[in-house]
Amino acid sequence: AQRVTQPEKLLSVFKGAPVELKCNYSYSGSPELFWYVQYSRQRLQLLLRHISRESIKGFTADLNKGETSFHLKKPFAQEEDSAMYYCAEGAGGTSYGKLTFGQGTILTVHP
Amino acid sequence: DTGVSQNPRHKITKRGQNVTFRCDPISEHNRLYWYRQTLGQGPEFLTYFQNEAQLEKSRLLSDRFSAERPKGSFSTLEIQRTEQGDSAMYLCASSLDWNTQYFGPGTRLTVL
Repeated sequence: AQRVTQPEKLLSVFKGAPVELKCNYSYSGSPELFWYVQYSRQRLQLLLRHISRESIKGFTADLNKGETSFHLKKPFAQEEDSAMYYCAEGAGGTSYGKLTFGQGTILTVHP
Repeated sequence: DTGVSQNPRHKITKRGQNVTFRCDPISEHNRLYWYRQTLGQGPEFLTYFQNEAQLEKSRLLSDRFSAERPKGSFSTLEIQRTEQGDSAMYLCASSLDWNTQYFGPGTRLTVL
């Protein structure tokens, strides 16, 4: 079964500091990976997906198949980045599209 | 179109009662997903539809749970004989084929 691990439940940084949210996945094939974000009192929304290789709100994520990781990074954190972040993996085959989520990391950016 | 909507937003019920939730996806989206989220956990997949066909159900979905999408538009999730362990946030998402899933605000169920 697919498994997504986010080892940090809480992460605190100061404004302007670099931030890295860790994610490890278990699927051994060609995974489809996502980062979703949930701001306070808002719905879950897509931040980025690895296949598009976009940078959204200054965040990037690199797929490392050797380490089965998909860590989310931003060089200079902003207070408005404070939110819950979920890493998710998309299933393949007949389950294509079904997402398996990690437990989430709460990021707090202090002024 | 304001995105995926879910009703009700909150539901409090007594153990043993039946509850039904509704999800209205983005209009042109052919795929609809249900997830469940408990406190401190990420969303867990329950089931999904492509148009009106229910293509997969998780083992989390016991016989007390049933989902429908009768005309390939809105979907309902019914829980019969609710138990306290059913208390959770129930999330609906929709997508066009295998593209980005857009989530609704969720229905928070509390079983007393």
